[in-house]
Amino acid sequence: DAGVTQSPTHLIKTRGQQVTLRCSPKSGHDTVSWYQQALGQGPQFIFQYYEEEERQRGNFPDRFSGHQFPNYSSELNVNALLLGDSALYLCASSLGGRLSNTGELFFGEGSRLTVL
Amino acid sequence: ILNVEQSPQSLHVQEGDSTNFTCSFPSSNFYALHWYRWETAKSPEALFVMTLNGDEKKKGRISATLNTKEGYSYLYIKGSQPEDSATYLCAFKAAGNKLTFGGGTRVLVKP
Repeated sequence: DAGVTQSPTHLIKTRGQQVTLRCSPKSGHDTVSWYQQALGQGPQFIFQYYEEEERQRGNFPDRFSGHQFPNYSSELNVNALLLGDSALYLCASSLGGRLSNTGELFFGEGSRLTVL
Repeated sequence: ILNVEQSPQSLHVQEGDSTNFTCSFPSSNFYALHWYRWETAKSPEALFVMTLNGDEKKKGRISATLNTKEGYSYLYIKGSQPEDSATYLCAFKAAGNKLTFGGGTRVLVKP
């Protein structure tokens, strides 16, 4: 049973560049959430995708965008990178996109982005 | 903005000792409280999902309690072992809303 997989695991970009991070959810899961974890902080919610639509969004600028594909995999795109975007980006999958869902999240190991 | 606080930020525990730490969250509009364990170089893994006031859950030597009226949850580790060293995250879910994580408690168990 494949868990949540993310790619790439590490990457280095320069300011102003664009980056795309990818996530495959746990088998059978249909909902993907993205989190940003800066050093010394807890994961901060970016957005959640269900049925190929963004269902909810955290307090992140429009430079952060995403997509969900028919096979439930997802991408996170960040444009015009800033130094402050350096962080670990976590993808989490779950079952059922209803906002009333209390189910646990299954996380990938994250993509470590460094912006120079 | 929902405020989820965890304390302490970090703690050192001698092997064999028991310990506990706190997660504080808004007492209104409660829907669920999650606990995750995050070991270095791995992905966070769910320990407990708690939904009822007064709920107590246990997994091996780790247990958690929930007080939704006053907005706190305790996580207990009994007889700490080196493999318990990890960051423990709590996450609060309000009705119709996303999970909001606390900053975590980093536990280091010393042999």
